Amino acid sequence: EVQVVESGGGLVQPGRSLRLSCTASGFSFGDYAVGWFRQAPGKGLEWVGFITSRGHGATTEYAASLRGRVFISREDSNRIAYLQMNSLKIEDTAVYHCAAPYSYDSGITAWGQGTLVTVSS
Amino acid sequence: DIQMTQSPSSLSASVGDTVTITCRASQGIGNYLAWYQQKPGKIPKLLISLVSTLQSGVPSRFSGSRAGTDFRLIISSLQPEDVATYYCQKHGTAPHPFGQGTKLEI
Repeated sequence: EVQVVESGGGLVQPGRSLRLSCTASGFSFGDYAVGWFRQAPGKGLEWVGFITSRGHGATTEYAASLRGRVFISREDSNRIAYLQMNSLKIEDTAVYHCAAPYSYDSGITAWGQGTLVTVSS
Repeated sequence: DIQMTQSPSSLSASVGDTVTITCRASQGIGNYLAWYQQKPGKIPKLLISLVSTLQSGVPSRFSGSRAGTDFRLIISSLQPEDVATYYCQKHGTAPHPFGQGTKLEI
């Protein structure tokens, strides 16, 4: 059974940085892409980006609105993917979800419950 | 960047009705369109991928179609458990934006 767990959320001041973690099990982690999404309170789903497998170059793609402020990386030996967020804004307040394995060909079937990031002074 | 415009933003229907939710892509995306159902307090559930491929376990009253850059989610014989917010999402090559969501009430 695939299990995905996010961690690292919390209260952070505007302008600061935060790194979220995603640990996944139940599949060959290194062979698949990992994606990130977010959902602000009472709002819709927003795609953040993804990182391909190392076999596909560990290539990253990001939403245009977030490019330059967010960075996704992976540590396959520990089955962890990271979402680094810099220069945080109040509007980055959201529940951040990890999706793994992330299938860009056929939709997402495995999501974590998410970790809440609150940006506030 | 590609935009996905979903309509309506909310919808009220009765048990047994057939409802249609539309998602329009700002440019051609081929058949890379998925539909998700999100019930209150829950994570999204993939219903349909590649326009019309129903996921395992999803009732056959859910179906999807495409006409050019317009995509439709059709729910027939509406059931009380279908109360949820529905999202479309482009997949395939990046980016993978979502539509704004359609809140379905019964």
